[in-house]
Amino acid sequence: EAGVTQSPTHLIKTRGQQATLRCSPISGHTSVYWYQQALGLGLQFLLWYDEGEERNRGNFPPRFSGRQFPNYSSELNVNALELEDSALYLCASSRTVQETQYFGPGTRLLVL
Amino acid sequence: QQQVKQSPQSLIVQKGGISIINCAYENTAFDYFPWYQQFPGKGPALLIAIRPDVSEKKEGRFTISFNKSAKQFSLHIMDSQPGDSATYFCAAVNQGGKLIFGQGTELSVKP
Repeated sequence: EAGVTQSPTHLIKTRGQQATLRCSPISGHTSVYWYQQALGLGLQFLLWYDEGEERNRGNFPPRFSGRQFPNYSSELNVNALELEDSALYLCASSRTVQETQYFGPGTRLLVL
Repeated sequence: QQQVKQSPQSLIVQKGGISIINCAYENTAFDYFPWYQQFPGKGPALLIAIRPDVSEKKEGRFTISFNKSAKQFSLHIMDSQPGDSATYFCAAVNQGGKLIFGQGTELSVKP
């Protein structure tokens, strides 16, 4: 069974640009979660999508947004990039919200 | 309170020793407590998990001890090996789907 996949693996942007990160969940998983892992700040919950709807979001500004497609894959968009957005962005999926979340390898975003 | 407090921040153990990492939480709505292991450049991988109706769970060399009344749980790694050197995160989940992570423990097992 294929795991959670994310693309791209690395992304370099300049301040003010927009970044789009993609995630494909494990087959059969309908919930997709996004986390930010910034140096020194640990793993912070960003967003949770289930059945195409945003179900919960963490303490991040509205310029962090996303969506979930009918095939349950997901996209995270970060607008008006700031230097402090540089981090590893991790996607996870689960069969239901009560079940274990499995993580992808992440997208490392660098904002210059 | 949505926090999970994890200690120690870093841990050095000799090969064959026991590694112990502790976590504490405040929100009694949490109902699932996983531990993740993360190697540099990789995403976190589920190691072992427990629900609050169980006081202990063992899988191979890894054991979770859970104290519901104290709202504390810990990970014990028996016979620690150099390959166990990684960052370990405890976490807690509530019905909102949000994984709340501890701050992480960087474990180094010396040969």
